[in-house]
Amino acid sequence: QSVLTQPPSVSAAPGQKVTISCSGSSSNIGNNYVSWYQQLPGTAPKLLIYENNKRPSGIPDRFSGSKSGTSATLGITGLQTGDEADYYCGTWDSSLSVVFGGGTKLTVL
Amino acid sequence: QVQLQESGPGLVKPSGTLSLTCAVSGGSISSSNWWSWVRQPPGKGLEWIGEIYHSGSTNYNPSLKSRVTISVDKSKNQFSLKLSSVTAADTAVYYCARGRSRTLHSYYFDYWGQGTLVTVSS
Repeated sequence: QSVLTQPPSVSAAPGQKVTISCSGSSSNIGNNYVSWYQQLPGTAPKLLIYENNKRPSGIPDRFSGSKSGTSATLGITGLQTGDEADYYCGTWDSSLSVVFGGGTKLTVL
Repeated sequence: QVQLQESGPGLVKPSGTLSLTCAVSGGSISSSNWWSWVRQPPGKGLEWIGEIYHSGSTNYNPSLKSRVTISVDKSKNQFSLKLSSVTAADTAVYYCARGRSRTLHSYYFDYWGQGTLVTVSS
């Protein structure tokens, strides 16, 4: 059971937009920045979004992040088949540990 | 470009100790970053194990704390993980990663190793 809650799966057609939610509490998301990671099949996770809404160099602006209260959202526009992956949210928790969501599998139909 | 590379035995016997090393290249382990271990059981999500700073300060996942030791070797620019009393539940892909904390409430992993599968089996 993950500390942060994500939907197990989402799907959308190529070119469409999708959002992935991440729900936590005041001990984690409520008081800390959220990061998002993309894990393509058989590869290591890759940083997609940090500090709620910042994109590392090389990440296209089709990917966006936001946070409100104890929840965060990852948005992906202009979906491509290459976006099919597992997506994880993560943040610091007051238990002095990093916590992740359970992951969301994105299917581009 | 920072690169991380995990190494260690791919098979560990139950009740034994899992030992892995992460070699850091393209940057110094003595930089202002934390160095973490994260694992992923087959078909499951990510679990943070713990982290170390070049000073030797550590933080561990409370659920694993009694079995985990993370150490750093600045002379070799690497850090290591030891997980004791392993069971089949510890079978996972183990990743090392660099943790960045730019502000008090900011923490994220910007560089990851490719991961190494460790199987616990007799």
